[in-house]
Amino acid sequence: AQTVTQSQPEMSVQEAETVTLSCTYDTSESDYYLFWYKQPPSRQMILVIRQEAYKQQNATENRFSVNFQKAAKSFSLKISDSQLGDAAMYFCAYLEDSGGSNYKLTFGKGTLLTVNP
Amino acid sequence: SAVISQKPSRDICQRGTSLTIQCQVDSQVTMMFWYRQQPGQSLTLIATANQGSEATYESGFVIDKFPISRPNLTFSTLTVSNMSPEDSSIYLCSVSTSGFTDTQYFGPGTRLTVL
Repeated sequence: AQTVTQSQPEMSVQEAETVTLSCTYDTSESDYYLFWYKQPPSRQMILVIRQEAYKQQNATENRFSVNFQKAAKSFSLKISDSQLGDAAMYFCAYLEDSGGSNYKLTFGKGTLLTVNP
Repeated sequence: SAVISQKPSRDICQRGTSLTIQCQVDSQVTMMFWYRQQPGQSLTLIATANQGSEATYESGFVIDKFPISRPNLTFSTLTVSNMSPEDSSIYLCSVSTSGFTDTQYFGPGTRLTVL
């Protein structure tokens, strides 16, 4: 079974600074997708960024960017110019085609990000 | 992305009872999913709800405990049956508008407490 590992249970960053959240995954597939979701205290899961495994270019969404290393099976999230509203639990997720018409999204355990003013 | 709503947003239930959670989407979607998030934990997929066919359950989840309906392309329900305190969790539905390549978007979740 595919696994997603987030080795940092908690991270903190000063407002306006940059922070990087780590994620590694295990798979034997060559075609898959990777995501970062954030979950603030409201518990709503919000998509931050998405990366297709076949693309070598790292995905970027405004202040959020990833460092995708396919050979190393690493997918880290960099948040630049951190804002108080970035404080949340961040989940790394892996999407595989689990067969037939079903698609399984596997999550890491999450990293709790605190932003200090 | 689709707008997803869930009802109820939270509930407190007695053990041995059942609760049905509704998930409504503002547009037709191909896939609907149900996840459980136990306190302080990550999300675990319960099942995939397919319109016109039976739901597909993940290992450790059974239809008798978590029956799912998907009557059309915009609506699904998850029932948590014969509840025990161990069922206290956040239950989230998610949707993808097409197939494998599509991103899953999540509803706001239902916080369930079983006494």
